[in-house]
Amino acid sequence: AQRVTQPEKLLSVFKGAPVELKCNYSYSGSPELFWYVQYSRQRLQLLLRHISRESIKGFTADLNKGETSFHLKKPFAQEEDSAMYYCALSPNFGNEKLTFGTGTRLTIIP
Amino acid sequence: EPEVTQTPSHQVTQMGQEVILRCVPISNHLYFYWYRQILGQKVEFLVSFYNNEISEKSEIFDDQFSVERPDGSNFTLKIRSTKLEDSAMYFCASSEQVNTEAFFGQGTRLTVV
Repeated sequence: AQRVTQPEKLLSVFKGAPVELKCNYSYSGSPELFWYVQYSRQRLQLLLRHISRESIKGFTADLNKGETSFHLKKPFAQEEDSAMYYCALSPNFGNEKLTFGTGTRLTIIP
Repeated sequence: EPEVTQTPSHQVTQMGQEVILRCVPISNHLYFYWYRQILGQKVEFLVSFYNNEISEKSEIFDDQFSVERPDGSNFTLKIRSTKLEDSAMYFCASSEQVNTEAFFGQGTRLTVV
């Protein structure tokens, strides 16, 4: 069975400080990992995925297979980063059967 | 920018009634999905649909649920006899291919009373 764990429900960070949102996963094969974001009153949208290896809005995430983690990081938080962040896992690199974590609400303190 | 559109935004229904949630995917997309989120819980996969048939479904998607693409634009989720535990936010999503970015709708909040 696949599982995604986001240990922090809430995270508050001062503007300009580094951000790290934790995500750990459990899956026996080689999954694809995603980060989705939902800004206030907006729809869920893809932030980044492991296979793309891109930096989006200053965020990066590295897949650590040894620690089964896919933590989301940004060196300098901005106020517009305040949102709900969901880590998700796909067993087949597609959008089918995505398993989501419970989400972390990130609040950037001005 | 094209968007996935869901209607209604909020639906209240009595237990045992049938409900149909509607979605208009992005026009050139070929893959369609339904996810749901019970209040305070995780977003959960329900079903994916491609080429006019279900391609994957979860354990949640039992005989009470069905999906349909009745015409060239709509994608619907039907719950035949709603239960209290069906109360949730239901999200529709679509993607060009199964492994390209999925775009989500704004959700339909279903409340079963």
